[in-house]
Amino acid sequence: DADVTQTPRNRITKTGKRIMLECSQTKGHDRMYWYRQDPGLGLRLIYYSFDVKDINKGEISDGYSVSRQAQAKFSLSLESAIPNQTALYFCATSDFSDQPQHFGDGTRLSIL
Amino acid sequence: GIQVEQSPPDLILQEGANSTLRCNFSDSVNNLQWFHQNPWGQLINLFYIPSGTKQNGRLSATTVATERYSLLYISSSQTTDSGVYFCAGGYNFNKFYFGSGTKLNVKP
Repeated sequence: DADVTQTPRNRITKTGKRIMLECSQTKGHDRMYWYRQDPGLGLRLIYYSFDVKDINKGEISDGYSVSRQAQAKFSLSLESAIPNQTALYFCATSDFSDQPQHFGDGTRLSIL
Repeated sequence: GIQVEQSPPDLILQEGANSTLRCNFSDSVNNLQWFHQNPWGQLINLFYIPSGTKQNGRLSATTVATERYSLLYISSSQTTDSGVYFCAGGYNFNKFYFGSGTKLNVKP
């Protein structure tokens, strides 16, 4: 089983719908992250959490919200999806600041 | 934020050739990783290398932290090496910045 699992893997939805992307991990890491990747570009940080009570905005948090339900679970929500939020979304985890990040397989989100 | 410049943006190689990919940072970082994104979109962690040199098979990486750059070497390239290579770095992962990638196409 994958250490970092993202669900769903693919989603097509309509403008204005509420969407939730979920991430769970079995690595026991405290730190979790959500990134977005647009075609032809690198990833950009949306939100990150260093523990259940600590959530921080990243580079592009507008239009998104997150919830850290437990150490192992970190969800990303789009309250009212818009077409320019169509992208590949990644969840990642890390242990300490001097350890690498580990990524899930991504969620392809298309908003029509 | 930190600007991350990767070069070259595109690279075409014949199978068996060697290559060097470069990553420059606009500011100092204490976390630095190299990733390979395969055609299915999966990000594969290649190296965590905030400084020094590491090797893993045909791949090796060197980071010169004082000069804010990192190099990824691919030797004896194979068609399975094709994809996009990203470097990323930041400070304590509080703000972690990705480059735009080098798209590698290895031809048989």
